[in-house]
Amino acid sequence: DAGVIQSPRHEVTEMGQEVTLRCKPISGHNSLFWYRQTMMRGLELLIYFNNNVPIDDSGMPEDRFSAKMPNASFSTLKIQPSEPRDSAVYFCASTKGPLSSGNTIYFGEGSWLTVV
Amino acid sequence: SQKIEQNSEALNIQEGKTATLTCNYTNYSPAYLQWYRQDPGRGPVFLLLIRENEKEKRKERLKVTFDTTLKQSLFHITASQPADSATYLCALDTTSGGYNKLIFGAGTRLAVHP
Repeated sequence: DAGVIQSPRHEVTEMGQEVTLRCKPISGHNSLFWYRQTMMRGLELLIYFNNNVPIDDSGMPEDRFSAKMPNASFSTLKIQPSEPRDSAVYFCASTKGPLSSGNTIYFGEGSWLTVV
Repeated sequence: SQKIEQNSEALNIQEGKTATLTCNYTNYSPAYLQWYRQDPGRGPVFLLLIRENEKEKRKERLKVTFDTTLKQSLFHITASQPADSATYLCALDTTSGGYNKLIFGAGTRLAVHP
């Protein structure tokens, strides 16, 4: 089975440019998460969707960040305009059932973003 | 404030020994706690889950304990091997607005030397 698929794997962009990260969750999974990982702050939850609906975006750092999930098999995380402090690894993850039942989160391999 | 703490310093041990990693938390009341492994350049991979009513869970060479009074989980790898070298993350569930989400610790890097 294919896991969570993210693209691009690596992106280097100039400050001020728009960045779009893409994610395809595991088929049949109904919850999708975007995390950001840095050395300083570890793995932070940015936003999560349940059945394509955004449930909690309290982790989104500021208005420059936005996320969409137009259907069950695709999500995007957009940063506009990007800044050097956005440099991090962005992980998408999905899970089949509710976290309240202790279902496992499956992570993608991450998108490594560098803003110069 | 809510906090999850894992040893920030790397743990270096000799092959064959038991590695013990610690996860402490404050101001959470998780129904369960999970442990993940992360290799460089890869996403975290699930290892074990332990529920609040379970004291101990085992899987092959892995053992996890969960003490809700101490607010602590210990993760043990027995007969460690160089292939066990990785960063290990603990994660606990918390509810917000009626929905559950997983919050991760910063992770502890384990290096097993031959």
